[in-house]
Amino acid sequence: AQKVTQAQTEISVVEKEDVTLDCVYETRDTTYYLFWYKQPPSGELVFLIRRNSFDEQNEISGRYSWNFQKSTSSFNFTITASQVVDSAVYFCALSEELRGADGLTFGKGTHLIIQP
Amino acid sequence: EAGVAQSPRYKIIEKRQSVAFWCNPISGHATLYWYQQILGQGPKLLIQFQNNGVVDDSQLPKDRFSAERLKGVDSTLKIQPAKLEDSAVYLCASSRDTRAYEQYFGPGTRLTVT
Repeated sequence: AQKVTQAQTEISVVEKEDVTLDCVYETRDTTYYLFWYKQPPSGELVFLIRRNSFDEQNEISGRYSWNFQKSTSSFNFTITASQVVDSAVYFCALSEELRGADGLTFGKGTHLIIQP
Repeated sequence: EAGVAQSPRYKIIEKRQSVAFWCNPISGHATLYWYQQILGQGPKLLIQFQNNGVVDDSQLPKDRFSAERLKGVDSTLKIQPAKLEDSAVYLCASSRDTRAYEQYFGPGTRLTVT
């Protein structure tokens, strides 16, 4: 069975600090997809990134970067020079896509607080 | 492009009553999902539709929950009868197809069962 673990329940940093959110996943499939979503106080989940299991290249998008390591089953997310607007709950999710069933399995989320 | 629409945004009912939620996905998106998000947890998949057919309902409590997607566009999720533990946010999402494309989420319906 698939599982996503986000061990950090809450992280609080001061603005401009760098912060890394951890994500560890479990799956028996060789083909799978990993995602990160942001849920601001308004409640709507916002898509950030999708990675497939065959692409281990790290990705950078502005202040956001993602580190995918199959050897440790981790898909960590780093925010550089954090801003108050980054305050939200961040979810890591996994999809195995079996016979068209590609619903997401989410972790419990990490509540990120950026203090001014 | 309009996002995923859901209504109502909030609903308060008493236990044993019934309730229905509505979702309109992004235009052209073939795949639609319903998730349940209990406070403090990540969303949990309830059911997935591809066009108007059910792909995965393995986690749907079928004794009280039902869902349909007539004509492959809008969808409704119903709970009958509701229990206290059904208090949660019900999220609808859509994606252009299967194969784990990114899912776009609606604002959700917050259900409180008293």
